[in-house]
Amino acid sequence: GAVVSQHPSRVICKSGTSVKIECRSLDFQATTMFWYRQFPKQSLMLMATSNEGSKATYEQGVEKDKFLINHASLTLSTLTVTSAHPEDSSFYICSASGQVYNEQFFGPGTRLTVL
Amino acid sequence: KQEVTQIPAALSVPEGENLVLNCSFTDSAIYNLQWFRQDPGKGLTSLLLIQSSQREQTSGRLNASLDKSSGRSTLYIAASQPGDSATYLCAVRETSGSRLTFGEGTQLTVNP
Repeated sequence: GAVVSQHPSRVICKSGTSVKIECRSLDFQATTMFWYRQFPKQSLMLMATSNEGSKATYEQGVEKDKFLINHASLTLSTLTVTSAHPEDSSFYICSASGQVYNEQFFGPGTRLTVL
Repeated sequence: KQEVTQIPAALSVPEGENLVLNCSFTDSAIYNLQWFRQDPGKGLTSLLLIQSSQREQTSGRLNASLDKSSGRSTLYIAASQPGDSATYLCAVRETSGSRLTFGEGTQLTVNP
């Protein structure tokens, strides 16, 4: 299957700072990327869907000014958590799909801890 | 709105046992269904993908079945091993390229 990477794998930051998480498709062109967050012992919650070159579509209840998503190329999407607060601490996972593959491939996740 | 339910929420079995994990979904008009495995603190590993026209898929000791009309899928694990301990997630996709809707997962523990 295809490979998706995320960077960083773990980040700790102070309240009020912004954090950027990168999601890359390493060996295929990802026309669509998805961002999820996961709280302990819960399932994945879709935050937004982004198509290359266009604005992301956010799920209900997700603040688009808080969680900035950029999908500027077919291999890279970024999620920026702006002015992070402790309640933003979570496990963030991206996935990617492309025209060749009819399924989503998931990254290894990023553990964000806001102090 | 599609809803996916997984039963049981947790399962503990002795090594060597065959087991079945269940997944049900409310809207049978799906494009495909996917089973994933997640280890603690890790991302998702895709196990099996079943297209809506298929009845089952097999990979090694894993077999997944799909009954679209009744809105059910099962994941069968044969001869379970301690290394199978993880959370297993079921997800459905309603159209090509669309979002996945996940179940809450089944946390499996295989005891040596």
